[in-house]
Amino acid sequence: EIQLTQTPSSLSASVGDTVTITCRASQVIHHYMGWFQQRPGEAPKSLIYSASTLENGVPSKFSGRGSGTDFTLTISSLQPEDSATYYCQQYSTYPLSFGGGTKVQI
Amino acid sequence: EVQLLESGGGLVQPGKSLRLSCVGSGFSFHSSAMSWVRQAPGKGLEWVSAITGSGAGNQYADSVKGRFIISRDNSKNTVYLQMNRLRAEDTAVYYCAKDRSSGSSLGLDVWGQGTTVTVSS
Repeated sequence: EIQLTQTPSSLSASVGDTVTITCRASQVIHHYMGWFQQRPGEAPKSLIYSASTLENGVPSKFSGRGSGTDFTLTISSLQPEDSATYYCQQYSTYPLSFGGGTKVQI
Repeated sequence: EVQLLESGGGLVQPGKSLRLSCVGSGFSFHSSAMSWVRQAPGKGLEWVSAITGSGAGNQYADSVKGRFIISRDNSKNTVYLQMNRLRAEDTAVYYCAKDRSSGSSLGLDVWGQGTTVTVSS
């Protein structure tokens, strides 16, 4: 089973800041990594798949990088609506697995 | 518009059973693998189970293997999660999610709004 270690678990930032969230896999997952945003009381929403491909309609302020075991999600020009918990997820191998989440407070 | 709508959640006693349903619309349902993902109160996301587009293949998390059964009826655009021998730790919001692939996962792109399952006496 592939474990995903997501850091930090929470962060506080200001409007206009840029933040980076890291996700490390316990074994190589190539580019089979996705990132999700979950606002309070809502379902998760896919932001990025295949490590760096933006979902249709997702603003370019979100970007993903990485391959192998180390991945990042960067959010630039933070706005209040970006307050949410962000999760990484690997789909290289079953069982699928998620990182523990990063709560971003603006 | 691609949509997923879950139903079937509720309050159930430990040891009892419950069946969740998820109806999909706006996409080629039989061409999409589907997953169930749950979220316990105040906790993170946990993948539960997946089924291929044809229904021929399925996968389970160890925490539910032998107790939960995933199935689908492509004529009704519906995926099910039969949950047996429920435990308190199964209490969660259960989401169904569409996969980009019909077989092995290529990532979950669309999620339903979830249905809440509470296991308590």
